[in-house]
Amino acid sequence: QQPVQSPQAVILREGEDAVINCSSSKALYSVHWYRQKHGEAPVFLMILLKGGEQKGHEKISASFNEKKQQSSLYLTASQLSYSGTYFCGTGDPAAGNKLTFGGGTRVLVKP
Amino acid sequence: NAGVTQTPKFQVLKTGQSMTLQCAQDMNHEYMSWYRQDPGMGLRLIHYSVGAGITDQGEVPNGYNVSRSTTEDFPLRLLSAAPSQTSVYFCASRRSGGSYEQYFGPGTRLTVT
Repeated sequence: QQPVQSPQAVILREGEDAVINCSSSKALYSVHWYRQKHGEAPVFLMILLKGGEQKGHEKISASFNEKKQQSSLYLTASQLSYSGTYFCGTGDPAAGNKLTFGGGTRVLVKP
Repeated sequence: NAGVTQTPKFQVLKTGQSMTLQCAQDMNHEYMSWYRQDPGMGLRLIHYSVGAGITDQGEVPNGYNVSRSTTEDFPLRLLSAAPSQTSVYFCASRRSGGSYEQYFGPGTRLTVT
């Protein structure tokens, strides 16, 4: 079952903040976040793991709420380069940790 | 390292034709997968593999076959192309386990007329 992302789209001014949510109907073990620019392949942003471990290499933060089966991605002091479509993916350890993605959130950052 | 490579970049097929989309990775990753992305939509998992000789179905496997004879290669076969298979196809790979980033290939844009 695909995770559900909200909102579907958001428009920001440079420097503003935004939150993207990812909800799952199943227990969460790992949540991956990716960003895709128009016409390009998705690029890795961050992984959050059950137990609180977090791996990422961008100035974008995220949270993982096991109880609510939800993860949130925080775009703080947004830059023009943050524009793109953000996808969350949930891993299923019962199936080789296959990654199932949500429908995406389109982010447009304007000057 | 070339990372994940896909060929061809573009392909036009007629309804009923068959073809194979190629995917290769040089990172010695155990896990590989295929996704399709329809215009303005998310990524839907077609098939995946956790290692050579092992494949399994994703969310939308109908009309597609895969095999994994080597760690490096994971081709996707369209058996009898249909217009509904017009999409961008992404191959991806990563180390096995849930805590590793997934690397995507550049994609193949397929049009079925």
